[in-house]
Amino acid sequence: IAGITQAPTSQILAAGRRMTLRCTQDMRHNAMYWYRQDLGLGLRLIHYSNTAGTTGKGEVPDGYSVSRANTDDFPLTLASAVPSQTSVYFCASSTGDGNTEAFFGQGTRLTVV
Amino acid sequence: GQNIDQPTEMTATEGAIVQINCTYQTSGFNGLFWYQQHAGEAPTFLSYNVLDGLEEKGRFSSFLSRSKGYSYLLLKELQMKDSASYLCASLDSNYQLIWGAGTKLIIKP
Repeated sequence: IAGITQAPTSQILAAGRRMTLRCTQDMRHNAMYWYRQDLGLGLRLIHYSNTAGTTGKGEVPDGYSVSRANTDDFPLTLASAVPSQTSVYFCASSTGDGNTEAFFGQGTRLTVV
Repeated sequence: GQNIDQPTEMTATEGAIVQINCTYQTSGFNGLFWYQQHAGEAPTFLSYNVLDGLEEKGRFSSFLSRSKGYSYLLLKELQMKDSASYLCASLDSNYQLIWGAGTKLIIKP
């Protein structure tokens, strides 16, 4: 099924541990995004990539890193997790033309204890 | 700064009509999106407006006034399955989406 897939679906992580959230899309979209969603707040952009080989910082990039080695994959890494990174993380992709819709993965619920 | 405002929660009756408002202030403007998000699920696209006026799509319509920095989503003939959060997002001058916190819509029988 075409679309965007995230893994894992949920994770409990000890503070200080390193964690990579995976995101893969098969729609050949140029642009990919990582958001976090917290209760009472809107989706906040962590990092984005307009095309393979390039990445940029969003609104809340501290403590996170990304890479975009190819068109399909856009992993998000927490180098040393902290409890404030407990959140639901969504990966999304779009053609990158700006006025086209973004497609979201099913989300990763991360709890840092 | 950039800001998107929408009500936190609204309640409506099955079969009725509800209007969810959104006001935005962003650095530049390249369009306004509405997404639906059911609890525990990913947001899904509903509508996109870049020109002033009303866009109708079945039971859902979206309106935009660029001069007022205002949009609304109109849902007609409400069904129980419409119970969800509705997210307003503005596309800024860098073509980045700025999201509101979402409006939780509760439908009562």
